[in-house]
Amino acid sequence: GQNIDQPTEMTATEGAIVQINCTYQTSGFNGLFWYQQHAGEAPTFLSYNVLDGLEEKGRFSSFLSRSKGYSYLLLKELQMKDSASYLCAPKEVMDTGRRALTFGSGTRLQVQP
Amino acid sequence: DADVTQTPRNRITKTGKRIMLECSQTKGHDRMYWYRQDPGLGLQLIYYSFDVKDINKGEISDGYSVSRQAQAKFSLSLESAIPNQTALYFCATSDITGNEQFFGPGTRLTVL
Repeated sequence: GQNIDQPTEMTATEGAIVQINCTYQTSGFNGLFWYQQHAGEAPTFLSYNVLDGLEEKGRFSSFLSRSKGYSYLLLKELQMKDSASYLCAPKEVMDTGRRALTFGSGTRLQVQP
Repeated sequence: DADVTQTPRNRITKTGKRIMLECSQTKGHDRMYWYRQDPGLGLQLIYYSFDVKDINKGEISDGYSVSRQAQAKFSLSLESAIPNQTALYFCATSDITGNEQFFGPGTRLTVL
């Protein structure tokens, strides 16, 4: 996704809070997803925002501003197991006219003791 | 048992060989997808299928072909493998909303 921008790497401390930002430019925007991917493993779904605002799910929250083309993922009470890549994926209209996800390059988060 | 399975999990092949990667799902989903992931990069969509007779090219379909043999099966072929197709390949499924996608464990392909 060349029209998706998120930081390449972030480092945070166990127990802290971290915010991972994502900006995007898409055609026919239809929602934004966040996925978590541990090294060498399959991505797993974290959150989905289709309307502006904050969606909270346990330690993880995701925010969306459609007018600004901006989203963030907020991770609270960080644990060592949260060390992973976090992929921002807006849902947009493809060249075929169908909607599908376009994934960003991901932010590799390292949680330190 | 896993809902989305991929075979093989690892494959090493030579330039010019034809390779088929297979994906099966037991989730009853209509939609299936093939992605590739290069080291340190995100997922790039190769092909996607919204049902057995509906197949669409993704961002990087050149050099690849697919077959949707049944609702539960979606295979990816490399007609003549080349080294820059060395990557991790993921299959995924979703229901008709196209929202949450469920990924298989991945196939690590190396083309020498």
